[in-house]
Amino acid sequence: EAQVTQNPRYLITVTGKKLTVTCSQNMNHEYMSWYRQDPGLGLRQIYYSMNVEVTDKGDVPEGYKVSRKEKRNFPLILESPSPNQTSLYFCASSGTGANSPLHFGNGTRLTVT
Amino acid sequence: AQSVTQLDSQVPVFEEAPVELRCNYSSSVSVYLFWYVQYPNQGLQLLLKYLSGSTLVKGINGFEAEFNKSQTSFHLRKPSVHISDTAEYFCAVSLVSGNTPLVFGKGTRLSVIA
Repeated sequence: EAQVTQNPRYLITVTGKKLTVTCSQNMNHEYMSWYRQDPGLGLRQIYYSMNVEVTDKGDVPEGYKVSRKEKRNFPLILESPSPNQTSLYFCASSGTGANSPLHFGNGTRLTVT
Repeated sequence: AQSVTQLDSQVPVFEEAPVELRCNYSSSVSVYLFWYVQYPNQGLQLLLKYLSGSTLVKGINGFEAEFNKSQTSFHLRKPSVHISDTAEYFCAVSLVSGNTPLVFGKGTRLSVIA
């Protein structure tokens, strides 16, 4: 089954403790992206990647890192999480071309205390 | 750069009534347009998309949308909603040139009332 898999689904952590949210897709997609969703603000893009070893900042990259060493994986790293990073995070992927729709994971709900 | 405005943040509607969720976009060049739906506790999934051709696009679950270039709109409609349509709906736009990522509106929460 074609899918984008994020782990974990839920994560509670404390300020400053490094964490990684994994994202994997099995559709051989070139494009991958991370979003955060907050009430009233919709979806905001954090980082995206057009292909292996190519990553770019989105609208809200501060406090986040990503890497794209393999085509299928695109982990999101929070080196020193803060409470304002409490949010619902989504990973998405698509083929090349602006007409390719995004496929989303089921989300990771992160709480930073 | 392109932008998307969803004019209503919340839309309550009675079951079996028609609904229209409004979306306007801003772009000086040609665009592709999408509607995504997010059911509770799930990720977003594609509802429908306009790439070219007929301006009336049909999607899943009985939804349709009409691309209006002169009004830069892409409103989503359904003639008769069900309780199961309760969800958040996102309009999104990408440039045909493909040089920038997809841009989403802030979403419209549709609540269907029995």
